[in-house]
Amino acid sequence: QVQLVQSGAEVKKPGASVKVSCKASGYTFTNYAMQWVRQAPGQRLEWMGWISAGNGNTKYSQRFQGRLTITWDTSASTAYMELSSLRSEDTAVYYCARHPPGWGYFDYWGQGTLVTVSS
Amino acid sequence: QSALTQPASVSGSPGQSITISCTGTSSDVGGYNYVSWYQQHPGKAPKLMIYEVSNRPSGVPDRFSGSKSGNTASLTISGLQAEDEADYYCSSYTSSSTYVFGTGTKVTVL
Repeated sequence: QVQLVQSGAEVKKPGASVKVSCKASGYTFTNYAMQWVRQAPGQRLEWMGWISAGNGNTKYSQRFQGRLTITWDTSASTAYMELSSLRSEDTAVYYCARHPPGWGYFDYWGQGTLVTVSS
Repeated sequence: QSALTQPASVSGSPGQSITISCTGTSSDVGGYNYVSWYQQHPGKAPKLMIYEVSNRPSGVPDRFSGSKSGNTASLTISGLQAEDEADYYCSSYTSSSTYVFGTGTKVTVL
């Protein structure tokens, strides 16, 4: 069965970087894109960016341009989301979600990773 | 990219029908049939409920249905049940090759 398992909670200081991993299983990793979505406490879902299937091209929300890097290691079936220059407003649960190419939805989600930014 | 607009809350009694709207622009909801809906219970990851405006993934009850008219998409829950109490988010592909989520709607079963 399809599973996306994310790395554990992180506590970071303002200005630092965080890298969250998302290990996929149960399907051919490179046949699907991977999206990243975050949710601040009590707030709505916010789309961050994606890495496309096959060629690994990336697209980021303008809100995170210059701070966000999404990569993947196909040999490990793992996607990564790295956010730099962290500030308190980046405190949120970060989710990875599988995206079938050519379709406009996210069908499987990771369990979420809480990133807390605090001095 | 501004968030899609949803009502903050909708409520209904068990067995009733409710509808949640999701309003965007011609650059997102109105321009593509890539509208999806997600259910989120407290402390849990979102779950796909509707994709491509009106399609239900396997395992989603048929009391959930979706539609779209112009720049507004809608999610209808018929025969409301206690377990439907959750937050619901719409999402759309955009003309910038990005995605945008709605503001979210809290559904309360009275």
